[in-house]
Amino acid sequence: DTAVSQTPKYLVTQMGNDKSIKCEQNLGHDTMYWYKQDSKKFLKIMFSYNNKELIINETVPNRFSPKSPDKAHLNLHINSLELGDSAVYFCASSQGTGGVPQHFGDGTRLSIL
Amino acid sequence: EDQVTQSPEALRLQEGESSSLNCSYTVSGLRGLFWYRQDPGKGPEFLFTLYSAGEEKEKERLKATLTKKESFLHITAPKPEDSATYLCAFQNQAGTALIFGKGTTLSVSS
Repeated sequence: DTAVSQTPKYLVTQMGNDKSIKCEQNLGHDTMYWYKQDSKKFLKIMFSYNNKELIINETVPNRFSPKSPDKAHLNLHINSLELGDSAVYFCASSQGTGGVPQHFGDGTRLSIL
Repeated sequence: EDQVTQSPEALRLQEGESSSLNCSYTVSGLRGLFWYRQDPGKGPEFLFTLYSAGEEKEKERLKATLTKKESFLHITAPKPEDSATYLCAFQNQAGTALIFGKGTTLSVSS
């Protein structure tokens, strides 16, 4: 039974399009995260939500908008996609507000043509 | 500026050949040091948390240690299934988001 699941696994689209990535966790955790892993393999935090409330919002273009309808879901919507957005996006979750992700999804590989 | 450096970038070992991975960090105040394992095409898997210098944690063939400036992940008698990228990350005293290193990619051949 998958703990943190993301869809889609692969996303290939053209510059300028708008796309969404969905994430769900069934662990009962109350904190969820979005991380970006670029081609150099660095993993960087983008956003963190605790009980549907935004608690970390790193320097991310405002074309990226997270949405948390409930504490088990954290979706990521991206407007006007650019070439530099190509990366693997990981969703993660943890219990409490400590800011340490304990479980990651398997990632969404976004490729911009 | 808080930062973390992992070395080597890549490490090739023969099965049974023990070694260590290094994670050097510069942080104004350390709240915690974390190790993750990442397999190709997968998300990171949480391994260890270390909070203070001198602390050690073990899991199967892996042992993580912490000093005031660096952490080591010792791998004893590795097996091919230990092949993965090992990431370290730290959290500063402000408790903000983790800062990850680039990782060490370990390949163990039989």
